[in-house]
Amino acid sequence: GAGVSQSPSNKVTEKGKDVELRCDPISGHTALYWYRQSLGQGLEFLIYFQGNSAPDKSGLPSDRFSAERTGGSVSTLTIQRTQQEDSAVYLCASTSGTFGGEKLFFGSGTQLSVL
Amino acid sequence: GENVEQHPSTLSVQEGDSAVIKCTYSDSASNYFPWYKQELGKRPQLIIDIRSNVGEKKDQRIAVTLNKTAKHFSLHITETQPEDSAVYFCAARGGGNKLTFGTGTQLKVEL
Repeated sequence: GAGVSQSPSNKVTEKGKDVELRCDPISGHTALYWYRQSLGQGLEFLIYFQGNSAPDKSGLPSDRFSAERTGGSVSTLTIQRTQQEDSAVYLCASTSGTFGGEKLFFGSGTQLSVL
Repeated sequence: GENVEQHPSTLSVQEGDSAVIKCTYSDSASNYFPWYKQELGKRPQLIIDIRSNVGEKKDQRIAVTLNKTAKHFSLHITETQPEDSAVYFCAARGGGNKLTFGTGTQLKVEL
């Protein structure tokens, strides 16, 4: 596609349920980031994938959060046993990963609401 | 890991005035410093970036300066216009290529 695609755009779930958020990066981009943005807040780093290297998971807030990237393309962020404090916009971004190609292209995000 | 602090959190200026946003970083190995603009309800967009081997970069009304010794960098917007109203985020790329963002500055340009 022409840009980074995220789905669903909105997700309402009940506390304790699991959710999966999907990110489809720009074709050919080797680097992929997940960020979380709470209402009126900054961009909180969650996880970073670069090619075939082990992902940098240092931003995942708890073991309820996990992410994978299959075939170096599509990524899925999974949140297990959701809590109300997980409510936020989850943004995915991709870059070419090369020198001079560090510009992040963001998706439109998934608005997660945990009731 | 990298820690990026950003000030001020909110900034209000009159149209035509200049606006300055400042950031500091902790990782001396950081080598790339972009700035992103996020308009209300939209995704962040890159507006300018600077590398560690450069002290200043300009693009029309926008400029960024970097002081590696002090580990701080700043965004300067001159002749502000209403369409400059948005949230601005600084970021720093440290070891491992992870990009860490500041907490954002809400800029409001008043007529």
